[in-house]
This record gives sequence, structure tokens and C-alpha cells, in this order.
Amino acid sequence: SQQGEEDPQALSIQEGENATMNCSYKTSINNLQWYRQNSGRGLVHLILIRSNEREKHSGRLRVTLDTSKKSSSLLITASRAADTASYFCATYPIGSRLTFGEGTQLTVNP
Amino acid sequence: ETGVTQTPRHLVMGMTNKKSLKCEQHLGHNAMYWYKQSAKKPLELMFVYSLEERVENNSVPSRFSPECPNSSHLFLHLHTLQPEDSALYLCASSQGQGANIQYFGAGTRLSVL
Repeated sequence: SQQGEEDPQALSIQEGENATMNCSYKTSINNLQWYRQNSGRGLVHLILIRSNEREKHSGRLRVTLDTSKKSSSLLITASRAADTASYFCATYPIGSRLTFGEGTQLTVNP
Repeated sequence: ETGVTQTPRHLVMGMTNKKSLKCEQHLGHNAMYWYKQSAKKPLELMFVYSLEERVENNSVPSRFSPECPNSSHLFLHLHTLQPEDSALYLCASSQGQGANIQYFGAGTRLSVL
């Protein structure tokens, strides 16, 4: 069974609104990473949060991690049409490999 | 640009053809990966190379054959593929194979007829 699962599978919002995506995982992790993928392209790393961190910011991105609930969230504030993409959480289980979820497809309407 | 270049970007091949995918990284990394991305499925890790040695092969059929001649180049040789092998094939690299950030190429969109 896959390690990370994103929720929702798809999200459609208006430009300027905030977008929140969630990720749940099953086993203890070393770190959790969020990646973005534009249609038909490779993945681009957005942010890494370690297991001993609770929150990280990068520009308009805010990531939280709750290891007791085995969950993370990615918040994109003041979204833009260019933010339209698939967003993946990837977990690094201790002693294993980076494992990706199925992703959340975000559509930001102008 | 991520520093990882994949060629070709698109490939159409018949089931009896032999072709190769190429990946080159300009980041000085020592670990490289092949992933398969199919519609509606999570990214599947196929192979991991660390310091030019294969350290992982995730039960990938033998019709996929990886080659890593040096730390900057990675190939995926394809032969007698099946239509279900049609997918986006992604190459990635990282510094060390531990819990580090991976840098991806743009992928090769493969269609098997």
C-alpha cells in the first residue's frame, strides 16, 4: 500500500483564493516533501519538512506536519492561474525510499 | 531548468522495436533514478543507481534494462515492450540516496503500439 495519500484528488478555485491540500501517511518518516508537476512535465521540488519540524514557509507556500496524526498540509496563498498543476507529497519512511502519492490536481481559474 | 535533461521527449515504438532513453544530470549528484508515471497511479520507482552501481530494482520486467556508465548519465534500454508500458518515464538525481531532495527531468512520453 502506498505511503502517502493526498486529499482532495482535485481542487478548483478562483484566482486570489487560498488552496489547501492534505497528505496522510502510514509509517514513521525521516522527512516529507512536496513537489509540483505541470502537465506532462517532470516534478519540481517545492519544500521539505523534517520530522522534528512543525511548520515551514517558502514564499506563498506554507507546509505543516503533524507526526502524531501522520499528516501534512500544503497551503498556497493568493493563488494564481500559473499555480495550476498537480501537487504531490512524498514521504521518506525511515530506512526506505522516497514514496509519492497520487497527487492533487489544482486548477486555478482566472 | 532543473539540471536534469532527458531525451527524447516523445517516443513511439512498436512492440518489436529496441530503443533507449537517455538521462544526463549536470548537478554533480551521485545517485540517479528511473520512475514510471502512468495515468491515475502513483509514481513507481523502477531503478536506483548510487555511485554508478545499481542498488535497487523494483521487480521491473527484464524488457527494461538500465545502464549507468558514469555518475552523470543514465540510460533505460527498451525491447519487446507491451502496450501497458506506455507511460511518462522520469529520471531524477540526488546527492546521496538518503532522505534528500530529488531533481527531475522533464520526462520521456513513451507510446507502445
